[in-house]
Amino acid sequence: EVQLVQSGAEVKKPGESLKISCKGSGYSFTSYWIGWVRQMPGKGLEWMGIIYPGDSDTRYSPSFQGQVTISADKSISTAYLQWSSLKASDTAMYYCARLRKALDAFDIWGQGTMVTVSS
Amino acid sequence: EIVLTQSPATLSLSPGERATLSCRASQSVSSYLAWYQQKPGQAPRLLIYDASNRATGIPARFSGSGSGTDFTLTISSLEPEDFAVYYCQQRSNWPPEVTFGQGTRLEIK
Repeated sequence: EVQLVQSGAEVKKPGESLKISCKGSGYSFTSYWIGWVRQMPGKGLEWMGIIYPGDSDTRYSPSFQGQVTISADKSISTAYLQWSSLKASDTAMYYCARLRKALDAFDIWGQGTMVTVSS
Repeated sequence: EIVLTQSPATLSLSPGERATLSCRASQSVSSYLAWYQQKPGQAPRLLIYDASNRATGIPARFSGSGSGTDFTLTISSLEPEDFAVYYCQQRSNWPPEVTFGQGTRLEIK
């Protein structure tokens, strides 16, 4: 079964760092782009950026450039999203999703990781 | 950055009725337009790709149309499980740059 499994919910304080993960299975992880999408409470979907695990080529949305870092470890079929200094406004659900080039769409989604930042 | 504008923000209809959702791009995206459905507490699900192609397992009552800057998602006869939020998404350039519309909430009247 093709799936993306994300790490569990996190509760952090402002200023702390965080790295969440997204593990792919059931397909060739290095052959598909993996995107990250933010959904703030009660709000819509926002594309944050995307990485190609085969060579770690990465693109960021202008809104998130410099705010987060996207990386991948192809040896363990895992993509990451990290923050160096969290803010309360980073509180959101974060999804990873596989971009299928032939469809120009995200065909497989992770279950989401809820990040709560509160003092 | 290409902006996608969805309308209406909320659509109130009854089961059995036809739903028409719109997505307009700030510049041409050719046919690189997808639609997703999201229910509360769930990840989005791909419905339509390349403007008019149904994804695997999507019922025939869902259809997409359009090209360039104007796109439509139509649900021919609403089922109770169709009441959800719908998003459009475009891909431009390669390596890909992506944007989502702000969503249309389809609610039971």
